[in-house]
Amino acid sequence: AQKVTQAQTEISVVEKEDVTLDCVYETRDTTYYLFWYKQPPSGELVFLIRRNSFDEQNEISGRYSWNFQKSTSSFNFTITASQVVDSAVYFCALSTGGFKTIFGAGTRLFVKA
Amino acid sequence: GAVVSQHPSRVICKSGTSVKIECRSLDFQATTMFWYRQFPKQSLMLMATSNEGSKATYEQGVEKDKFLINHASLTLSTLTVTSAHPEDSSFYICSAKPATGGALYWNTEAFFGQGTRLTVV
Repeated sequence: AQKVTQAQTEISVVEKEDVTLDCVYETRDTTYYLFWYKQPPSGELVFLIRRNSFDEQNEISGRYSWNFQKSTSSFNFTITASQVVDSAVYFCALSTGGFKTIFGAGTRLFVKA
Repeated sequence: GAVVSQHPSRVICKSGTSVKIECRSLDFQATTMFWYRQFPKQSLMLMATSNEGSKATYEQGVEKDKFLINHASLTLSTLTVTSAHPEDSSFYICSAKPATGGALYWNTEAFFGQGTRLTVV
């Protein structure tokens, strides 16, 4: 069975703090893809990153960085120097063959000015 | 990049009426589209997989007679909520998979529409 667990329901930080959103996944497939999406209050899903199971390199994009560790089945997301505009719900997702995407429960991030 | 357009973005309907939501892939052909439902402050739950030219595959617990899916062409899938009731009020969002062999096929990013917020009064 495939599963994505985001244990943090809500996180509240003050602007400029760093924050890490945790994601743990389960799958028996050897080929899979992991994603992070941002969902602002308007509702649309904003794609942030895709990682395939064979690429464990960490990635940095501006203030965003991702740490993929197959040994612990984790794909954590860190926002450095958070800003109010980062306030949103963030979803970690898993996709195996067929593009069927399973989403985690989401983490609601509040960044206070 | 690949674009999926969903229409309408918001709809309010009376209880007992039916509502149709469209999901279009604008710049690629999609043999498979997925429909998700999201209740307030909850995650996205897959409702069904829509396959062009064949019947949709519904997830367990989703009423196929309630949520009619039609994938009549390689660029359009529709979800019709029949005899809508207030408990059907939700955010519905689709995603599309590029057709096999196309340039986007190996790009495994899921292309999502903007979502439709349905309110049944």
